Amino acid sequence: EVQLVESGGGLVQPGGSLRLSCAASGFTFSNFWMHWVRQAPGKGLECVAAIKEDGSQTSYVDSVKGRFTISRDNAKNSLYLQMDSLRAEDTAVFYCASLPRGSGSYWGQGTLVTVSS
Amino acid sequence: DVVMTQSPLSLPVTLGQPASISCRSSQSLAHSDGNTYLNWFQQRPGQSPRRLIYKVSNRESGVPDRFSGSGSGTDFTLKISRVEAEDVGVYYCMQGTRWPWTFGQGTKVEVK
Repeated sequence: EVQLVESGGGLVQPGGSLRLSCAASGFTFSNFWMHWVRQAPGKGLECVAAIKEDGSQTSYVDSVKGRFTISRDNAKNSLYLQMDSLRAEDTAVFYCASLPRGSGSYWGQGTLVTVSS
Repeated sequence: DVVMTQSPLSLPVTLGQPASISCRSSQSLAHSDGNTYLNWFQQRPGQSPRRLIYKVSNRESGVPDRFSGSGSGTDFTLKISRVEAEDVGVYYCMQGTRWPWTFGQGTKVEVK
């Protein structure tokens, strides 16, 4: 069974940092691009970062460029998102997901990040 | 960025009746490799999203055949042939042709 389990969310003050982790199992993690997708409370979905299978290429949405860093450790089947200079508008549930162009999309259960003083 | 626009945003349905959701993109989603990377996701209340359709019309494994996708270029449609109670939720289209991948606003499907 495929599982993606996120952790690391919580309450952080504006300007603070947080590191999210995602543990993958049940599929060949190193064969997939991986993504972080966020959903603000009561809102829609936004794909914020992506990383290539071997970690050699990353992409970010403009609103998080320079503040967020996506990385992975294929030996540990893990995906990470380092979030710095957090803002109130970053408050959201963050999902770890595989979004291949072909078949086989998997999502975690999400972890809530709240940025507030 | 490619803007994805869904309609309607709210869709009251009668169980057993068909339903249809439209999705339009601000640019053609045809990729230079010949494919069109248009996806449909379902998010049931309190759950994570689940992909139903990829590359316009391909159903993910385990997705009931009452769900179908069609379209090309900038205009796409998700159809449910006969709505069941478990289909209640929010449906999103998403383009995976040009980064950043972008979602539509979502269409809330609810029972009348």
